[in-house]
Formats: sequence, structure tokens, C-alpha cells
Amino acid sequence: NAGVTQTPKFRVLKTGQSMTLLCAQDMNHEYMYWYRQDPGMGLRLIHYSVGEGTTAKGEVPDGYNVSRLKKQNFLLGLESAAPSQTSVYFCASREVRSSYEQYFGPGTRLTVT
Amino acid sequence: SQQGEEDPQALSIQEGENATMNCSYKTSINNLQWYRQNSGRGLVHLILIRSNEREKHSGRLRVTLDTSKKSSSLLITASRAADTASYFCATDVRGGSEKLVFGKGMKLTVNP
Repeated sequence: NAGVTQTPKFRVLKTGQSMTLLCAQDMNHEYMYWYRQDPGMGLRLIHYSVGEGTTAKGEVPDGYNVSRLKKQNFLLGLESAAPSQTSVYFCASREVRSSYEQYFGPGTRLTVT
Repeated sequence: SQQGEEDPQALSIQEGENATMNCSYKTSINNLQWYRQNSGRGLVHLILIRSNEREKHSGRLRVTLDTSKKSSSLLITASRAADTASYFCATDVRGGSEKLVFGKGMKLTVNP
């Protein structure tokens, strides 16, 4: 099993450009999450999904949109990138009834200039 | 907002020594988890302790939980250079266990 994968691994955007980050998991997990990690801030939840076709806002959702059209995929979109969105983005997934452990992808490093 | 807060923020020890990290949180929880993050990688789950448990062991890891003080500690015994990483505590919120709230993390350096 590949676990949780994220594409791309690195990306540089100019202010105002758009992009989509893709997260895929092959563990048949119901729950999926998008976090951002900034120095000294830990991980902050952007959006999450408790099942195919459902999404919900996390702690810092502004400037981001998400979609969960297929159970195994969770997409994070930036419609108009801003320098404040420079960060490392992590995707995670979890079973519904389990030890509550989240499985993380390797991250995407995004720089917005 | 951050629920958990790790203390100290950074710790440097020699190989073979024990490392203790503390986590304080603010609201009632169902469970508390500890994760490790190696440089440039995603987080990896280490151990979970439920709110009705006081202590849990897994290999060289020992976790305690004091719900009256809203605090937890992670002890790594006989540390190795490979334990060098950042460590995060994460809590759910009672009544909403689908989400985790992570602390800011603690950087552990184990010198060979």
C-alpha cells in the first residue's frame, strides 16, 4: 500500500495564480484532512471531509476550497494565491471506527511570491 | 486555536538519556495522541491515551495523562540519535472526535 500520497511535492506560484493540490489514499479511509504547517505554529486544520461528497471547514479555511468527489481523493484548491499561503501542506486520512490515528502524507511545500 | 501546548519547545540530550516532553491542553477530551515528525516528512502516530487511562506504554515510550490538570507527558527512554525529531501532542474535543487539534510541537535533538 502506498498509504497517503500528495502531488506535487513542491510548487512556486505567483500572487494571484491558482492551483490544486491532490491527496490520494489507498486505505479506504472515510475521513480526510488538509492541514498547513508554518514555523512555530504547529499544524492547523484547513478543511476536512467525513465522507465522499462531504466537506467541512476547519480552523483556517479562508482562501481555500476543497472537493471530495471520490472517497480516495481529497483536493485542495487555491483560487488566487497570496504570499500568506506560503506553507507546507499536509494531507491526512483516518478510519471512522479505529484508534483515531491519522495517517499523513509527505507534504507539499508551496511558495507564493 | 491551538489546544495543546508542548513544553519545553526544544530539548537537546545525549544518546542513552531519557527525554520527557509535556503537553497541556484546554478543554475536555476523549483522547490524546502523540506524533513524531522527522525533518521534511509527514507526521507519524506514536501512541494514543484515552481520557479514562492514566498511563500507557509502547516500547521505549511511556505516556501519562492527568485529566484534572489537563496535561500529558511523553517519556522516551534510552534515547537514540534516530529519535531526533519534532514531537506533537494532539487532542480531539469531547463530542467532536473526528478532528484533532495539534500543539505547536517540540524539537528533540539526541546527540550521538
